[in-house]
Amino acid sequence: AQKITQTQPGMFVQEKEAVTLDCTYDTSDPSYGLFWYKQPSSGEMIFLIYQGSYDQQNATEGRYSLNFQKARKSANLVISASQLGDSAMYFCAMRELNQAGTALIFGKGTTLSVSS
Amino acid sequence: KAGVTQTPRYLIKTRGQQVTLSCSPISGHRSVSWYQQTPGQGLQFLFEYFSETQRNKGNFPGRFSGRQFSNSRSEMNVSTLELGDSALYLCASSLEIYNEQFFGPGTRLTVL
Repeated sequence: AQKITQTQPGMFVQEKEAVTLDCTYDTSDPSYGLFWYKQPSSGEMIFLIYQGSYDQQNATEGRYSLNFQKARKSANLVISASQLGDSAMYFCAMRELNQAGTALIFGKGTTLSVSS
Repeated sequence: KAGVTQTPRYLIKTRGQQVTLSCSPISGHRSVSWYQQTPGQGLQFLFEYFSETQRNKGNFPGRFSGRQFSNSRSEMNVSTLELGDSALYLCASSLEIYNEQFFGPGTRLTVL
């Protein structure tokens, strides 16, 4: 069964610093997708970045990059040059692509607090 | 392009009542998924629809049901409400089933 683990309940960082949010996953499906979402206090989930299991390079989207280590089954999110607006809950999610009847599953999330 | 819209945004009901939540996906998106978010259980998958067919269902009791219409709009119904149904209900749409999902603002349901 697929599983997502985020071990950091909360992270604190100062503006302009980089921060890494950890995510490990477990699946027996060789084909899967990994996603990161941001949820500000307003509640809306915002899609940040996607990594496919067969992608050779780490995904990047602006200040967001995904440190994908397939052998370790980890997909950490790196936010460079943190901004106050980055303060939010961050969720890692995964979906198996070869298994019928599977859905996008989410980790418990990490709360990021950025201070000035 | 307009994002995912959900109505109503806030809802207060009493135990035993039923409720219907609505979701309009991004134009052109054919897949709609529903999630329940609570502080204790986190984000839990409810249903996934594609082209009016339920493709996946999460581990929720039969009181939770849903459907998708030909224009891809989706509704979710919860009957015989319980206090534990109080949650943020999020709808997400995607172009196809395995693409990234884009979420609406959610409907916050409070059951008294």
